[in-house]
Amino acid sequence: DADVTQTPRNRITKTGKRIMLECSQTKGHDRMYWYRQDPGLGLQLIYYSFDVKDINKGEISDGYSVSRQAQAKFSLSLESAIPNQTALYFCATSDLSGPQHFGDGTRLSIL
Amino acid sequence: LAKTTQPISMDSYEGQEVNITCSHNNIATNDYITWYQQFPSQGPRFIIQGYKTKVTNEVASLFIPADRKSSTLSLPRVSLSDTAVYYCLVGDDYGGATNKLIFGTGTLLAVQP
Repeated sequence: DADVTQTPRNRITKTGKRIMLECSQTKGHDRMYWYRQDPGLGLQLIYYSFDVKDINKGEISDGYSVSRQAQAKFSLSLESAIPNQTALYFCATSDLSGPQHFGDGTRLSIL
Repeated sequence: LAKTTQPISMDSYEGQEVNITCSHNNIATNDYITWYQQFPSQGPRFIIQGYKTKVTNEVASLFIPADRKSSTLSLPRVSLSDTAVYYCLVGDDYGGATNKLIFGTGTLLAVQP
């Protein structure tokens, strides 16, 4: 969805580095989500936010943190990256009663 | 928590109708059934959602029997561009129930000429 923008699209970094993935949306949605997808598998929820003051852990939050800077922005951080966090990361948004809209993902490789 | 089971893969030819069935034996009363499509290196895209009986939109139909323990996504006259992974999800809204949103591994549909 062109209204959900993720940056960077690709990133290669080293073990132990701090990484921030950013997501911005122009859909005006209150709800935002971060997912992780490993090769050949479905998506796993990392964190989600229902509004600017709301942050919740998903299935696999260990090793990750998030910040909801504004309604339109939701960033995901890896404080000290490790190789098994190599994956495809997706941001999504939704309103109260509609489907989720996904960005095109960030491919993250940790060496 | 309603888990879903789908075939890992399916093959079809252009112009055929494709039916992908999903099992969700533990579906709750207030759960909806939602299907997403995902192309390589792209985020999932919403296709259709339903609660019971039949729902149809411009791209697909969704059939849900009375007991709601399964559902079938029907894609009419598929083309090569329908080759993708299809996910069935169960949750109490469009899947925005957050920690109840489980994508599973999906069904890889391969359409051949």
